[in-house]
Amino acid sequence: ELKVEQNPLFLSMQEGKNYTIYCNYSTTSDRLYWYRQDPGKSLESLFVLLSNGAVKQEGRLMASLDTKARLSTLHITAAVHDLSATYFCAVVGAGGTSYGKLTFGQGTILTVHP
Amino acid sequence: DAGITQSPRHKVTETGTPVTLRCHQTENHRYMYWYRQDPGHGLRLIHYSYGVKDTDKGEVSDGYSVSRSKTEDFLLTLESATSSQTSVYFCAISSGSYEQYFGPGTRLTVT
Repeated sequence: ELKVEQNPLFLSMQEGKNYTIYCNYSTTSDRLYWYRQDPGKSLESLFVLLSNGAVKQEGRLMASLDTKARLSTLHITAAVHDLSATYFCAVVGAGGTSYGKLTFGQGTILTVHP
Repeated sequence: DAGITQSPRHKVTETGTPVTLRCHQTENHRYMYWYRQDPGHGLRLIHYSYGVKDTDKGEVSDGYSVSRSKTEDFLLTLESATSSQTSVYFCAISSGSYEQYFGPGTRLTVT
């Protein structure tokens, strides 16, 4: 059974600081997603990581994937208040019958303070 | 934004009543999914569809059924709602490529 764990679950940051959210998963995966969710809203796709060593960056966020360690990281650089949200990683299991089914981590609630 | 709508957006119902949630897409995507979101659990897959009339169970399917009679609509039914089914329900769609897009969500309260 595929399990996905994120840490930390709660992250309070000061503006301008850097931090990393970690996502571990338990079995071989075809791909890994990072989503952002604002309160009361739907999920917004941030990154899709497809292969070992993949790195993607958008603004102050950078995501990477190490399939051998079954670990993805979401690095936040010089945090700003607008990044306050809940961040989820999600994994699709390997194999042709995965049908794109996502298994989610618990989510990391990020709050950025002045 | 991907063309996904969910209806209703909010619903309050009583224990034991049947409830049907609708997901409608305008993207002609093959795959559709129903997830529920509860605090501390992230999102969990209820049921999914890989084509018209082709559906299967997800991680938390007990108490739920689905139907997909045409490409654009995926219905989630709670045959007899219970308080444990109070949640936010999200529909998602995928063409089979890498992106999976989520609908706006339905907040269901079972009293």
